[in-house]
This record gives sequence, structure tokens and C-alpha cells, in this order.
Amino acid sequence: NAGVMQNPRHLVRRRGQEARLRCSPMKGHSHVYWYRQLPEEGLKFMVYLQKENIIDESGMPKERFSAEFPKEGPSILRIQQVVRGDSAAYFCASSPPTSGENTDTQYFGPGTRLTVL
Amino acid sequence: SQQGEEDPQALSIQEGENATMNCSYKTSINNLQWYRQNSGRGLVHLILIRSNEREKHSGRLRVTLDTSKKSSSLLITASRAADTASYFCATDARDYKLSFGAGTTVTVRA
Repeated sequence: NAGVMQNPRHLVRRRGQEARLRCSPMKGHSHVYWYRQLPEEGLKFMVYLQKENIIDESGMPKERFSAEFPKEGPSILRIQQVVRGDSAAYFCASSPPTSGENTDTQYFGPGTRLTVL
Repeated sequence: SQQGEEDPQALSIQEGENATMNCSYKTSINNLQWYRQNSGRGLVHLILIRSNEREKHSGRLRVTLDTSKKSSSLLITASRAADTASYFCATDARDYKLSFGAGTTVTVRA
């Protein structure tokens, strides 16, 4: 069973460009979470999604950031008009449906390291 | 604000020694989880302890939870060079958002 997949692993963008980060959850997992990690800090929650639904986006900046988890395909975190302060590692995690086992555990992907020049 | 805060920020030990790190949090929790992160890599889930549990073991790891003091500890026994990593506690307050501390960086010297 493959783990959570994220791509790209490294992404370099110039200020003003768009960044698209992809996350494929573990097989059988229907919940996806995005977190951001700034250097020397812990992870900060951004958004929680289920298929075709945003459940909680309270941790996501109101502007320029958006997330989706379509019926088919990976979850996408999109950052428009990137600025230097967006440089960080972005981690995706997934968890099983609430009726399954280990529903409390979130399994993390390897992350995407975004560098904004 | 951060829910979990680890202590110490950094820890350097000799191979074979034990490593202990602590985590304090502020609000009621459903469970507390410990993760390991190797430099520049993703997070690996180590152990989950629920609010009604006091101690849990997994291999060389021992986790305790004291809900009255809102604190947890992670003990790594007989440390190895491969244990060199950052360790994070994350609290789940029944709202699926994990709140992470800034982590404890552990260096195991050969």
C-alpha cells in the first residue's frame, strides 16, 4: 500500500507566478489535510478536505490560496501570485474514513518544498 | 497559537543513552501523537496516545500522558545514530486539526 504521495518534491517559482501542489492520499483514505511548515517551526494546519468538499479552511490565508479535492484525481493546493513569504514546506496528510480503523492517525506525505525567488 | 510545545528544543546524547523529551499543551485533547522528521523529509507517525491512556509503548519508545498537567513525554531507550531527527508532538482536540509544537531536535553521537 503506497503511502501519501506528493509532487513535485521541490518547486521554484518567481514572485507573481502560480504554484500548484498535488497530493494523492493513501489508498482507501478519504480525508486530506494540508499543513505548512516554516523553517525551524512546527506544522500549521491549513485546510481539511473530503472528496469534493472543503470541510475546514480556517488555517488558510483568505487571499491567493485555494484547495480542492475532486472526485477523481489528487488534491491540489494552489497558490496564486506567490510572494517570498510563501516559501515553506507544504505537507499533505490523509486519514481513513471515520468508520474505519485508526481514524485519528494522519499519515503524512514527504512534502513539497516551495522556494519563491 | 501553538498547542503543543516541546522541551528541550535540542538534545545531544551518546549512542546507547536514553533520550527524553516533553510536550506541554493548553486545551483539552482527544489524543496526542508523536512524529519524527528527519532533516528535509516528511513526518513519520510514531505513536498515538488517547486522553484516557496514561502510558504506551512501541518498541524502544515509551510515551506518557498526564492530562491533569497537560503534558506528555517521549522516551527513546538505547538510542541509535538513526534516531537523529526532530521529534514533534501534535494534539488533536477532537477537531481533526493537529496542532504541532516547534519540535525537539535530537542528535545521537556515535
